[in-house]
Amino acid sequence: EADIYQTPRYLVIGTGKKITLECSQTMGHDKMYWYQQDPGMELHLIHYSYGVNSTEKGDLSSESTVSRIRTEHFPLTLESARPSHTSQYLCASSEYSPSGNTIYFGEGSWLTVV
Amino acid sequence: AQTVTQSQPEMSVQEAETVTLSCTYDTSESDYYLFWYKQPPSRQMILVIRQEAYKQQNATENRFSVNFQKAAKSFSLKISDSQLGDAAMYFCAYRSVTQGGSEKLVFGKGMKLTVNP
Repeated sequence: EADIYQTPRYLVIGTGKKITLECSQTMGHDKMYWYQQDPGMELHLIHYSYGVNSTEKGDLSSESTVSRIRTEHFPLTLESARPSHTSQYLCASSEYSPSGNTIYFGEGSWLTVV
Repeated sequence: AQTVTQSQPEMSVQEAETVTLSCTYDTSESDYYLFWYKQPPSRQMILVIRQEAYKQQNATENRFSVNFQKAAKSFSLKISDSQLGDAAMYFCAYRSVTQGGSEKLVFGKGMKLTVNP
């Protein structure tokens, strides 16, 4: 299994709370990603990063924000959680290569907003 | 924009039998990568197999093999000698390389595979 870790794995919080989902990888990968996955549905890219101090929005609009201050760390923050944010959030990483590389996933963070 | 379609939401197979999972995609690019990912319940999504579009030879990984039909934009996964541990959600994915070198995966909706003992 890949060395990419997400915490918390499961979180139930109230509406309006601020939460941060942590993601760390020990593989030294330049690129990191956040995907959102509703139960039984496909994954949608919401954020990605080429490297330190680089972040971009993904294909699916999200009210969350991300930061990349260190190569190994790519946290995702929701300033004011709402029930519509209930979902699974998957962090992933890959190393840079012009020929393309495998993307490795963390185990996911299940967020429930009540 | 690229799209990936997995038309079968669920399938089942008997242990030791062979099953084929279908996937089609749409793209205007000539070079790209295709992947099959496996997501066991409450566990990490892991790569099963990948295929480079410029390679005509179908990829194989032990009991897993693909049938890549570039002209038809079809990318099916064959699992031979199915095992109980193969039970999972399987996602077909397309890798698009945007300007700047970012690698983004476009996923299908997934297919739930059940393996019956």
